[in-house]
Amino acid sequence: QVQLQESGPGLVKSSETLSLTCAVSGYSISSGYYWGWIRQPPGKGLEWIGNIYYSGITYYNPSLKSRVTISVDTSKNQFSLKLRSVTAADTAVYYCARGHGPKFDDWGQGTVVTVSS
Amino acid sequence: QSVLTQPPSVSGTPGPRVTISCSGSSSNIGINSVIWYQHLPGTAPKLLIYASSQRPSGVPDRFSGSKSGTSASLAISGLQSEDEADYYCAAWDDSLNGVVFGGGTKLTVL
Repeated sequence: QVQLQESGPGLVKSSETLSLTCAVSGYSISSGYYWGWIRQPPGKGLEWIGNIYYSGITYYNPSLKSRVTISVDTSKNQFSLKLRSVTAADTAVYYCARGHGPKFDDWGQGTVVTVSS
Repeated sequence: QSVLTQPPSVSGTPGPRVTISCSGSSSNIGINSVIWYQHLPGTAPKLLIYASSQRPSGVPDRFSGSKSGTSASLAISGLQSEDEADYYCAAWDDSLNGVVFGGGTKLTVL
């Protein structure tokens, strides 16, 4: 059974870069599937950030595209999120997930990231 | 403002059926299938419906999905207290070339 676990700083300063990693166990990333990041700001709904295929093909939310990079490291069986120039609006619970397009079958437990000024 | 439109809240008593609507456009629901997630506070979202009407194994058949034109619906029959959660619809949007979510609907079981 696949398991996903997010990790990274829980506190990021405004204007800096948010970096998160999702470690995957129970499944080899290079075997296929898309791997995605989704977030939920406090009191708000789910927001898709982007997906990456194991080969490196990426799809990003147009509203975040200029600040986001998602990458995959098949040797470590993990994928990562970098969000640059963060503001308070980027404070959220960040989830990593496995799926295809909008269909995410498996999710990490989520990690809280707070942007401080 | 979400690309897919859901009612902010719905409520129902244990037993009867409730439905949650999800309205989109010709670039998303109109041409692509719809996904539904159940999200309880403090937990990861759970895939409830995919391909507009298919249930993953383990999801009770009390949950059903349908799609017509640019709208979709999630129906929950035999409502139970443990169904109280937030429900989100999602779809691929060909114009945005990405995933779009609805704003979420909070289901309250009275």
